[in-house]
Amino acid sequence: DQQVKQNSPSLSVQEGRISILNCDYTNSMFDYFLWYKKYPAEGPTFLISISSIKDKNEDGRFTVFLNKSAKHLSLHIVPSQPGDSAVYFCAASGGSNYQLIWGAGTKLIIKP
Amino acid sequence: NAGVMQNPRHLVRRRGQEARLRCSPMKGHSHVYWYRQLPEEGLKFMVYLQKENIIDESGMPKERFSAEFPKEGPSILRIQQVVRGDSAAYFCASSPASRQAEFFGPGTRLTVL
Repeated sequence: DQQVKQNSPSLSVQEGRISILNCDYTNSMFDYFLWYKKYPAEGPTFLISISSIKDKNEDGRFTVFLNKSAKHLSLHIVPSQPGDSAVYFCAASGGSNYQLIWGAGTKLIIKP
Repeated sequence: NAGVMQNPRHLVRRRGQEARLRCSPMKGHSHVYWYRQLPEEGLKFMVYLQKENIIDESGMPKERFSAEFPKEGPSILRIQQVVRGDSAAYFCASSPASRQAEFFGPGTRLTVL
């Protein structure tokens, strides 16, 4: 029972363009959402988070949007840079879950 | 302010031996999480511990695997009688409280010969 889903295993984007990574969730009790970035052979790095009381949070080139009615969140990276090539995980918490619930990840490839 | 520390970074064991992986959380963090990443797969949650207590071990294999987080010292993930299928990257994360951002260590890469 996957409560957090990232339906795109990979995404390829031209350098300088916008990258949009998507994440869907099923548990309406989730109230805190996070995005992580992971390079090969390294641990995931926390990028940005959003609480359910907001619908948008911005940090530099990274913006997370939350649509509670659709149970959907997205991460926008503008402009995309070669160093953004990595696997991106979304995670959520809330309800009866003490720990974060993770998606399977989306591999982002930025083409020069 | 040191981040999450894991040691060893690389560990090689022969089948049947024991593997001990250590994790020191960030200063001020009392919640520790262990994850496993098998080759070509995503992160899989294993266990969540708070000082001296196991909160959730729903992702731990039923046999050979155990975890602890004593009052003093690092958290330990112990794998007894390792098999080749245990070869993976094991990541530890910590947070100051539950349901908050987790900060990850660099991982321990276990290779079972």
